[in-house]
Amino acid sequence: AQRVTQPEKLLSVFKGAPVELKCNYSYSGSPELFWYVQYSRQRLQLLLRHISRESIKGFTADLNKGETSFHLKKPFAQEEDSAMYYCALSFKAAGNKLTFGGGTRVLVKP
Amino acid sequence: GAVVSQHPSRVICKSGTSVKIECRSLDFQATTMFWYRQFPKKSLMLMATSNEGSKATYEQGVEKDKFLINHASLTLSTLTVTSAHPEDSSFYICSALRGGRVDSNQPQHFGDGTRLSIL
Repeated sequence: AQRVTQPEKLLSVFKGAPVELKCNYSYSGSPELFWYVQYSRQRLQLLLRHISRESIKGFTADLNKGETSFHLKKPFAQEEDSAMYYCALSFKAAGNKLTFGGGTRVLVKP
Repeated sequence: GAVVSQHPSRVICKSGTSVKIECRSLDFQATTMFWYRQFPKKSLMLMATSNEGSKATYEQGVEKDKFLINHASLTLSTLTVTSAHPEDSSFYICSALRGGRVDSNQPQHFGDGTRLSIL
């Protein structure tokens, strides 16, 4: 069965410092990987997806099939980046159901 | 666009009561909606896939008779927790898949969630 692992439950960084959220997955086929973000008192929302290959709010994520990873990175963290981040996987054969990782809480300190 | 409304946002009721939660896609049609459950400080766990005009598909371990799902229109899915007990207390979140097909490669759009507390 597919699985998504986010090893860090909490990441605390200072404003302006780089931040990297780790995500590893296990799935034998070709999955689609997502990063979702949940800001305080807001709903879960899509941050980015690997097929888009775009940078959103300064965040990027590269799918590494060899390492089965999809780490999220931002070179200079901002206070407004403080939120809960979830890595998720889906695949067409399962009707695009999402499997979520455990989530990483990011705290950006001033 | 792509707004999903979930109602109610919070429910507190007595044990044995049945509770209905609504999930609406406000500005798009959603053939497929999903229902998740989230325990405190835990991740989202998929309960079932709601398909418009057909039966829902439940994940392993989720009781179909306990969690009734109805997806009667392209913009509304409901989750009814029947005869709720304290162990059913949780945060329930729905999402809707924009587009007409499950293989359309569209991301899911989430509702705000419903916090259910059974006394």
